[in-house]
Amino acid sequence: DAKTTQPPSMDCAEGRAANLPCNHSTISGNEYVYWYRQIHSQGPQYIIHGLKNNETNEMASLIITEDRKSSTLILPHATLRDTAVYYCIAGGSNYQLIWGAGTKLIIKP
Amino acid sequence: DGGITQSPKYLFRKEGQNVTLSCEQNLNHDAMYWYRQDPGQGLRLIYYSQIVNDFQKGDIAEGYSVSREKKESFPLTVTSAQKNPTAFYLCASSTLRLVDTQYFGPGTRLTVL
Repeated sequence: DAKTTQPPSMDCAEGRAANLPCNHSTISGNEYVYWYRQIHSQGPQYIIHGLKNNETNEMASLIITEDRKSSTLILPHATLRDTAVYYCIAGGSNYQLIWGAGTKLIIKP
Repeated sequence: DGGITQSPKYLFRKEGQNVTLSCEQNLNHDAMYWYRQDPGQGLRLIYYSQIVNDFQKGDIAEGYSVSREKKESFPLTVTSAQKNPTAFYLCASSTLRLVDTQYFGPGTRLTVL
């Protein structure tokens, strides 16, 4: 299973787009990229997942590079409630997810 | 409201005692999971179950046991054999699709004194 690398922390101004990078250079062809976030001391919340194509939902957009070695999660208009730890996970199925330490995103007023 | 409940939110036990953490879901999901989270770390899979009366070990199953007698319930027992049981424990559920959203409960913070 592929391991992911994320910066430990990032800041973003409220109302601006937050762009969270993730490297997954060893990802295999059948492994998806998932993003979850965890607000302090709560259970993680699913955000989005993708395989090859860019994906968008009501929460975020996921941009995956053509070689699939990296991706970016975009929160288009960050609010204070988006302050959380964001996890990028590469895995073939729900039973094979390897969670790293994530990126602590702090939204500043 | 559909969701996953875990109880209690905080649990304290003396070293050497077994303790059982509760997890219930009303999402009609077949798959359920238990994860452990240590401070500043990501989640690690302890056990998962895809069907009643069947479960599989995850990456760190030693010192833990589970049961799945009902579809809605997946309790986790932390036994005295677990060397470092103090952690945040998270239960999740999903459909059986290999790639699908996992829904998490609020977690139980276990402290062993």
